[in-house]
Amino acid sequence: DIVMTQSPDSLAVSLGERATINCKSSQSVLYSSNNKNYLAWYQQKPGQPPKLLIFWAFTRESGVPDRFSGSGSGTDFTLTISSLQAEDVAVYYCQQYYSTPFTFGPGTKVDIK
Amino acid sequence: EVQLVESGGGLVQPGGSLRLSCAASGFTFSNSWMHWVRQAPGKGLVWVSRINSGGSSTTYADSVKGRFTISRDDAKNTLYLQMNSLRAEDTAVYYCARGVPDTRGLLDYWGQGTLVTVSS
Repeated sequence: DIVMTQSPDSLAVSLGERATINCKSSQSVLYSSNNKNYLAWYQQKPGQPPKLLIFWAFTRESGVPDRFSGSGSGTDFTLTISSLQAEDVAVYYCQQYYSTPFTFGPGTKVDIK
Repeated sequence: EVQLVESGGGLVQPGGSLRLSCAASGFTFSNSWMHWVRQAPGKGLVWVSRINSGGSSTTYADSVKGRFTISRDDAKNTLYLQMNSLRAEDTAVYYCARGVPDTRGLLDYWGQGTLVTVSS
């Protein structure tokens, strides 16, 4: 199984400041045939289901604000919120969809400082 | 508008069974691969199972293999998860989710979830 890890476990950022979350996979999720990283980011607010934010490591889902961006390749990935808004308070999960079982990171909780 | 509505959760004793349903609307269900993902109280997301369009191929997490069965009824636009031999560690909110075509396991729409509690 591909193990996903995230850091930090939680972070508190001032409104308007940058938040950065890291995700690492135990093996590469880059598929050489199409040169795509099978890596997604989800946002989950309390009492709600997860919401897809980013896929293929850096492609924003339709309707996701452009303050959210993804980067990285292979085994190391980053989700950046460029200017934190109050509505961004949530837990963020990375997920590899390269191979079954499709595994998620443990989550990073983002709060307002 | 894509909608996924789970039902069938509840309190069940260890060793018991439960069948979850997920009613889909707003998209062509029969063409979609579908997944179940669970989340224990206060914990993270764990992928459980998937089924291809047509229902001929299924995949399970090791933790549920042999106990859970995923199925679908395309005439009813409904996904199912039959859960047998339930254990306390199966206690979780169970989400159904739609798989994005040609991505293996990218999940673009999720239901609100149904809570399963396994306890005596």
